[in-house]
Amino acid sequence: SAVISQKPSRDICQRGTSLTIQCQVDSQVTMMFWYRQQPGQSLTLIATANQGSEATYESGFVIDKFPISRPNLTFSTLTVSNMSPEDSSIYLCSVEEQGTREQYFGPGTRLTVT
Amino acid sequence: KQEVTQIPAALSVPEGENLVLNCSFTDSAIYNLQWFRQDPGKGLTSLLLIQSSQREQTSGRLNASLDKSSGRSTLYIAASQPGDSATYLCAAAGLTYKYIFGTGTRLKVLA
Repeated sequence: SAVISQKPSRDICQRGTSLTIQCQVDSQVTMMFWYRQQPGQSLTLIATANQGSEATYESGFVIDKFPISRPNLTFSTLTVSNMSPEDSSIYLCSVEEQGTREQYFGPGTRLTVT
Repeated sequence: KQEVTQIPAALSVPEGENLVLNCSFTDSAIYNLQWFRQDPGKGLTSLLLIQSSQREQTSGRLNASLDKSSGRSTLYIAASQPGDSATYLCAAAGLTYKYIFGTGTRLKVLA
């Protein structure tokens, strides 16, 4: 199974600023995803990070607010832009194993916006 | 549109009990059903994956079953231990790549 790391593990940010979260995988993967987990809620898919092309966003999420980069098959970043307290969540990246489509998750980034 | 629900939302049991967590999904045309464990403030750990052609999977004290026709999956935990305390999430993937997550069951095993 893939081993996934995320940086930072947590951060406290001021309203109106931006934070970039990094996701690193120990092997090459095709499918990489970004999720949000708001306090006390389940996971919601933000977007699929596509290598070499623009990310595919789910309904309710836009590129201006959550720009995503995927420069290669082992790395991706998610930026949370112009943050407000409503953006306080855990942000998780995940990868999907080819064939079985089993998903593996990183440890998450806990973001608090004040 | 796929919807996934989990019952109960929370469960507290004494150590040693066998227990069952339930997961229901509305669209039976699923590709995979995956169970995860999440410790407070942490990421998700994959427990079991059941592919659409399978009926159950086992790993140690855990057994997950899948009944596509009724839109249900269950996670059976045998001889529960305090270390099993966590939130358990199920997620269903359809014929596209997307996993839809359930609302979770928060389990507490009392010593």
